[in-house]
Amino acid sequence: DTAVSQTPKYLVTQMGNDKSIKCEQNLGHDTMYWYKQDSKKFLKIMFSYNNKELIINETVPNRFSPKSPDKAHLNLHINSLELGDSAVYFCASSQAGQGAEAFFGQGTRLTVV
Amino acid sequence: DQQVKQNSPSLSVQEGRISILNCDYTNSMFDYFLWYKKYPAEGPTFLISISSIKDKNEDGRFTVFLNKSAKHLSLHIVPSQPGDSAVYFCAASLWGNEKLTFGTGTRLTIIP
Repeated sequence: DTAVSQTPKYLVTQMGNDKSIKCEQNLGHDTMYWYKQDSKKFLKIMFSYNNKELIINETVPNRFSPKSPDKAHLNLHINSLELGDSAVYFCASSQAGQGAEAFFGQGTRLTVV
Repeated sequence: DQQVKQNSPSLSVQEGRISILNCDYTNSMFDYFLWYKKYPAEGPTFLISISSIKDKNEDGRFTVFLNKSAKHLSLHIVPSQPGDSAVYFCAASLWGNEKLTFGTGTRLTIIP
């Protein structure tokens, strides 16, 4: 029974396409995140949502649009994919105010060709 | 500007010995520090944390030490076991803040 699950696990797509990554958590947490791990293995926060409200937006291009239909779900939609978007994207969740002790999903490896 | 640094990309340790992973940070405002463990094709898993009001926190085989004056923390694993082989990320945040700043990770290999 996975705590934070994201789909798909692998995504290969062509430049210019639009794609979505879905994330769901069953931990009852109020806060959800998207992190990006690039080719240099840097793991950086992209967005944070608390109870469906955007809290953190770390200067991510506006081609990236998170959507939170409810506090258990945070999806990531990416428009006009570019080669540089290739990375592993991690969804995570935590109790509000305890962002540090976040629970991560298994990651989605996005490859743009 | 990398505010959290792990200068050793890899470390090999004999099974049963102590593993010491190091982390340095530059932002003196950070007051909460964590270690995450990551296996291939999985997400990071929280391991242990420490707040800036402490200099040591222990949980079983894992101990984290914090030296605020040096802006340095370390993770000690003793005794090291083969299952400890993974990438370890150091992370820092402001207490109550949602954002984690991660280091680049250290790949720990435990040699049987």
